[in-house]
Amino acid sequence: AQTVTQSQPEMSVQEAETVTLSCTYDTSESDYYLFWYKQPPSRQMILVIRQEAYKQQNATENRFSVNFQKAAKSFSLKISDSQLGDAAMYFCAYRSVQGAQKLVFGQGTRLTINP
Amino acid sequence: GAGVSQSPSNKVTEKGKDVELRCDPISGHTALYWYRQSLGQGLEFLIYFQGNSAPDKSGLPSDRFSAERTGGSVSTLTIQRTQQEDSAVYLCASSPSGRGGYTFGSGTRLTVV
Repeated sequence: AQTVTQSQPEMSVQEAETVTLSCTYDTSESDYYLFWYKQPPSRQMILVIRQEAYKQQNATENRFSVNFQKAAKSFSLKISDSQLGDAAMYFCAYRSVQGAQKLVFGQGTRLTINP
Repeated sequence: GAGVSQSPSNKVTEKGKDVELRCDPISGHTALYWYRQSLGQGLEFLIYFQGNSAPDKSGLPSDRFSAERTGGSVSTLTIQRTQQEDSAVYLCASSPSGRGGYTFGSGTRLTVV
């Protein structure tokens, strides 16, 4: 079974600075999807960024980018120019391409933005 | 609707009572998922519906938990004889197909007292 590990329960960063959230995963599959979700106090999970494992190029979405290291099974999220609205829980998640379509989540990282 | 709608938003129930949680997916989304998020934890998969296929119930923690999806749209998650450890946020998500991106609802916070 696949597992996802987020080793940083909490992180903080100064507004306008850059922060990197870590995620590692374990799988025997060669093709899969990886995601970062943001969960503000409203509880709704919001998709931040998505990466297909067969793509070597790292995904980017405006201020958000990933460092995908397939051999190391690492998938970190970099947030540039941090804003107060970025404060939330961030979850890394894995999904198989074949078979079960469920998302496997890490335990989450609480990100605090200091003004 | 424009998003995934869950009701109620919050539910407090007495231990031993049955509860029903409702999820209205985005119109046309064939895939529907239920997850449970215990306090300070990540999301735990419960059950997955895809079109007319048999649901994947592999994540249901006990036989007190059941779910159905009527007419390929609205889904109800039922917890019988609730226990205090059932207290959690229950999140629903839908997808255009099993392979598309998910859209989550805002969840139901269940508190068993």
